[in-house]
Amino acid sequence: DTGVSQDPRHKITKRGQNVTFRCDPISEHNRLYWYRQTLGQGPEFLTYFQNEAQLEKSRLLSDRFSAERPKGSFSTLEIQRTEQGDSAMYLCASSHPWGQETQYFGPGTRLLVL
Amino acid sequence: AQSVTQLGSHVSVSEGALVLLRCNYSSSVPPYLFWYVQYPNQGLQLLLKYTTGATLVKGINGFEAEFKKSETSFHLTKPSAHMSDAAEYFCAVSEDDYKLSFGAGTTVTVRA
Repeated sequence: DTGVSQDPRHKITKRGQNVTFRCDPISEHNRLYWYRQTLGQGPEFLTYFQNEAQLEKSRLLSDRFSAERPKGSFSTLEIQRTEQGDSAMYLCASSHPWGQETQYFGPGTRLLVL
Repeated sequence: AQSVTQLGSHVSVSEGALVLLRCNYSSSVPPYLFWYVQYPNQGLQLLLKYTTGATLVKGINGFEAEFKKSETSFHLTKPSAHMSDAAEYFCAVSEDDYKLSFGAGTTVTVRA
C-alpha cells in the first residue's frame, strides 16, 4: 500500500522564477488537499479537489498560485514569480470516499526561494 | 470559526515518564479532532482521531487522547515515553470534512 507521494522533495529557486510541484494521492482516494507549512507553524489549508473539481481555495492562495487535477488523479501546484515569502513546506494530503474527514499526508516539498 | 490552541511549544520528558500534550479547540459545531506527528523533514503521520462515539480514543505507538466537550479539550497522552517519541506533534480540528485547522505544534524531546 503506497502512501501519498510528492515530487520533488526539495526545490531551490531564485526569486521571480516559476515552480511546479506534483502530488500523487493514495489509490482510490477521491479528494486531494494542499497545505502550506512555514517554519515553526502548523500547516495552513490552501485548496482541495474532489475528483477533478477544485471546490475551495483559501485566501492564502494568491493569484500567483494555481492548482490543477485534470484527470482526478495526480495534482500539480504551480507558483509563478516566486517571492522569498513563498519559502515553505508544501504538503499534499488525500482522503477516501468512505472516511472523507481523515486526511493522509505526503512527505512534502520544501521550497526555498533565494 | 474553528481554531486550535496547543499549550506549550516545547515539552521535555525523561524516558519512561508520562507524556502529556495539551490541546484546546474552539468550534461552532461538534468537531472532528486529530493528532498528527511530524518527524524532521517529513510529512505528517496520523496518530489518532475522534469523530463520534467513545470519547477516549487509542492510536498508534501507545498514544491515546480523550475528547472532553465541556472543556473543549483533546489532550494527548502516553504513559511511558520512548526515545523514538521525539518529534513535533500537531493537534487539528475540522468542522466539516475537508478543511483541517492546525495548532502551532508542540516539540517533544526525550531525555535518556
